[in-house]
Amino acid sequence: GEDVEQSLFLSVREGDSSVINCTYTDSSSTYLYWYKQEPGAGLQLLTYIFSNMDMKQDQRLTVLLNKKDKHLSLRIADTQTGDSAIYFCAESAPASGGSYIPTFGRGTSLIVHP
Amino acid sequence: DVKVTQSSRYLVKRTGEKVFLECVQDMDHENMFWYRQDPGLGLRLIYFSYDVKMKEKGDIPEGYSVSREKKERFSLILESASTNQTSMYLCASGSPAGVYTEAFFGQGTRLTVV
Repeated sequence: GEDVEQSLFLSVREGDSSVINCTYTDSSSTYLYWYKQEPGAGLQLLTYIFSNMDMKQDQRLTVLLNKKDKHLSLRIADTQTGDSAIYFCAESAPASGGSYIPTFGRGTSLIVHP
Repeated sequence: DVKVTQSSRYLVKRTGEKVFLECVQDMDHENMFWYRQDPGLGLRLIYFSYDVKMKEKGDIPEGYSVSREKKERFSLILESASTNQTSMYLCASGSPAGVYTEAFFGQGTRLTVV
């Protein structure tokens, strides 16, 4: 499948901004996604961006997309201890039956310390 | 709310046993997925199904099979469990809306093979 790359760990101080980066390979991806996984739980969609957008903001979250470099980032402003989780970047790859399969990066563990 | 339910949170099985992991979704989604999550490796797709009785191999299907007899249920089968199949297993479902494919996840099953 297509590769989605992201760094494995990020440590920030409470109140600072966190920036999680991701690179993807499928230039035809129409949507790109960020999922959050809290300890002991499955993944939940956090936000997504349509490929014709450069930026999307949703409260403390800002998603930036650079299509030329196939680079996606997630910025969390005023990071709180409750933001500690694993964050997955994802794209959709075409598959059988006209479906699209979510393809995930390895996940970035965000650790927020006081 | 969409609900994806996996039959067990934790399972301990012996090497060589046949293991069934069950997943049920309540939103009439066409697509269902089984992923395996391992530290540092992220989510890897084992199998997916885009319709009843339809299945496609993902990136790591060896040692696994699946069954989808009803739209709401997708089962993952470990034919003869081995210790290298000790992992977190995540089921997801989604309904394609064009190329937008949000995946809804169950809470995961942590399988230990001894």
